[in-house]
Amino acid sequence: ELKVEQNPLFLSMQEGKNYTIYCNYSTTSDRLYWYRQDPGKSLESLFVLLSNGAVKQEGRLMASLDTKARLSTLHITAAVHDLSATYFCAGDTGNQFYFGTGTSLTVIP
Amino acid sequence: DAGVTQSPTHLIKTRGQQVTLRCSPKSGHDTVSWYQQALGQGPQFIFQYYEEEERQRGNFPDRFSGHQFPNYSSELNVNALLLGDSALYLCASSHSGQGYSPLHFGNGTRLTVT
Repeated sequence: ELKVEQNPLFLSMQEGKNYTIYCNYSTTSDRLYWYRQDPGKSLESLFVLLSNGAVKQEGRLMASLDTKARLSTLHITAAVHDLSATYFCAGDTGNQFYFGTGTSLTVIP
Repeated sequence: DAGVTQSPTHLIKTRGQQVTLRCSPKSGHDTVSWYQQALGQGPQFIFQYYEEEERQRGNFPDRFSGHQFPNYSSELNVNALLLGDSALYLCASSHSGQGYSPLHFGNGTRLTVT
């Protein structure tokens, strides 16, 4: 069974600062995904990382994948309040996605 | 382009009762997966349906069952409800023909068991 661990679980950061969320997974995963969830809402797909060394960027968020280290990172640049949400990483083995417990991000003005 | 739609949005049931949740996948998608998200946790895989059959199942008891219809829509049924079944139930759809396909989630059904 694929196990996915994220850290930190909670992150409070000031606007304008940079930070990284880490996602470790236990066994080979076909792909690595990042999702965002706002309170009371569903999950929104942010990135799909398909291979070792993959890097994707969208606005102030950048995700990368190191399959040898079984590590993915989500880097936040110059945080703004609108980025406050819970971020999940997930791996998949084809039909089944395995999610981490999430990182709750709060950006403070 | 309609996304994944789920109904109802909220539901309150009593222990021992049965519940049915419904999902319509995103247009063009043929595969439906169901996930349970407890408060403060990541979603947990219940099962996946494709071509009207259960293709894979997670670690959930037989009280959880499902169905997929010819139009790809799906139902999740839970029998003999327990307090621990209280959670957000998410339906996700994808297309089987893609080599990879991020799941597209609906807004979920919030089930409360009292």
